Amino acid sequence: DVKVTQSSRYLVKRTGEKVFLECVQDMDHENMFWYRQDPGLGLRLIYFSYDVKMKEKGDIPEGYSVSREKKERFSLILESASTNQTSMYLCASSAPMGRRPPLHFGNGTRLTVT
Amino acid sequence: TQLLEQSPQFLSIQEGENLTVYCNSSSVFSSLQWYRQEPGEGPVLLVTVVTGGEVKKLKRLTFQFGDARKDSSLHITAAQPGDTGLYLCAGAPINNAGNMLTFGGGTRLMVKP
Repeated sequence: DVKVTQSSRYLVKRTGEKVFLECVQDMDHENMFWYRQDPGLGLRLIYFSYDVKMKEKGDIPEGYSVSREKKERFSLILESASTNQTSMYLCASSAPMGRRPPLHFGNGTRLTVT
Repeated sequence: TQLLEQSPQFLSIQEGENLTVYCNSSSVFSSLQWYRQEPGEGPVLLVTVVTGGEVKKLKRLTFQFGDARKDSSLHITAAQPGDTGLYLCAGAPINNAGNMLTFGGGTRLMVKP
């Protein structure tokens, strides 16, 4: 089974702090994604990566950046956390999109910014 | 306004009842997926539908893709408490060059024993 592991289940950070969310997958997937999940809004794509060192903006990239130095690891960075970034963050991976593969999600990181 | 609108947003029913969840859009999708998310976990894929009019069954769950590939439904027969969770539809818009998935807002289902 594909395993996507997010390093933290819960994080509490202060406004203005730099925050790192880490995600590792063990299935050699090319694609990795970061979503945020807010009630009633479903999942919104922040950034995705289809290869090492490659990244593409999703629907809501403002205030975020990402890093993919190794194929199995995709990091989400909040350069200066703000209260409106309090949310559930979900990492996912998949095989190449052309074959309509499923997304495999981690269990999420619930971030609270105070 | 979301590209994919799910209804209802919340549903609380008794064990044994039937229910239908809807996922609607004005856009055409090359495929549509349904996920279920349980508390404390990430979403897990239930099914992918790709052909207009397609019907897929997964035990007591029946998924249908609209003929025009703009909408989908999930019907659960004789719901069980184990069906409790957040149901998310996700589609790949046909006019999206990157073929990225867009998610609906979700339907939160609670099945009471």
